[in-house]
Amino acid sequence: GIQVEQSPPDLILQEGANSTLRCNFSDSVNNLQWFHQNPWGQLINLFYIPSGTKQNGRLSATTVATERYSLLYISSSQTTDSGVYFCAVVYGSSNTGKLIFGQGTTLQVKP
Amino acid sequence: NAGVMQNPRHLVRRRGQEARLRCSPMKGHSHVYWYRQLPEEGLKFMVYLQKENIIDESGMPKERFSAEFPKEGPSILRIQQVVRGDSAAYFCASLSGTSHEQYFGPGTRLTVT
Repeated sequence: GIQVEQSPPDLILQEGANSTLRCNFSDSVNNLQWFHQNPWGQLINLFYIPSGTKQNGRLSATTVATERYSLLYISSSQTTDSGVYFCAVVYGSSNTGKLIFGQGTTLQVKP
Repeated sequence: NAGVMQNPRHLVRRRGQEARLRCSPMKGHSHVYWYRQLPEEGLKFMVYLQKENIIDESGMPKERFSAEFPKEGPSILRIQQVVRGDSAAYFCASLSGTSHEQYFGPGTRLTVT
């Protein structure tokens, strides 16, 4: 099956710093989503981005499907950005199949 | 415009009891997925259902676990004779028919004592 690898596994930032999180996948994908799991355990949808670039406030994401990676950019980080960031993909013959998750990047933003 | 609903949010069961977890998808969504997150781990797919049909159950343990999504009412994930290793967060997601984006509920945290 497909492998989804995220880096770095852990990241500590000072408030106001910028960061880039990476997601590599080992096969072609139909869909790709980024999620933020907050300290209360809730999964928040950040981006649905099988290809191209999207921006939402201080966050943006880019997926280069041909090179099998996606990047999540966080600018001017805030303490509320702390939590775990997951990349997840759908692959195979259907674009409505199961999501395969990476192991996540744990982000801690210090005041 | 309610999101995906799950209940209960927290469930405590003794070993050997049954656990029933419920999921109501977003309005207009007819595809439901169940995922499990063991402590300190990522999310793993369990089962994918449409109304009255199981589409993919490749992630379901072979014994004690079952899922349904009836024509009326919520999807149910049922765990019989729970063991301590079943303690986890169970998330449900529903699928947008237009964008194919999955939206997650708040999860049910199951603790087996």
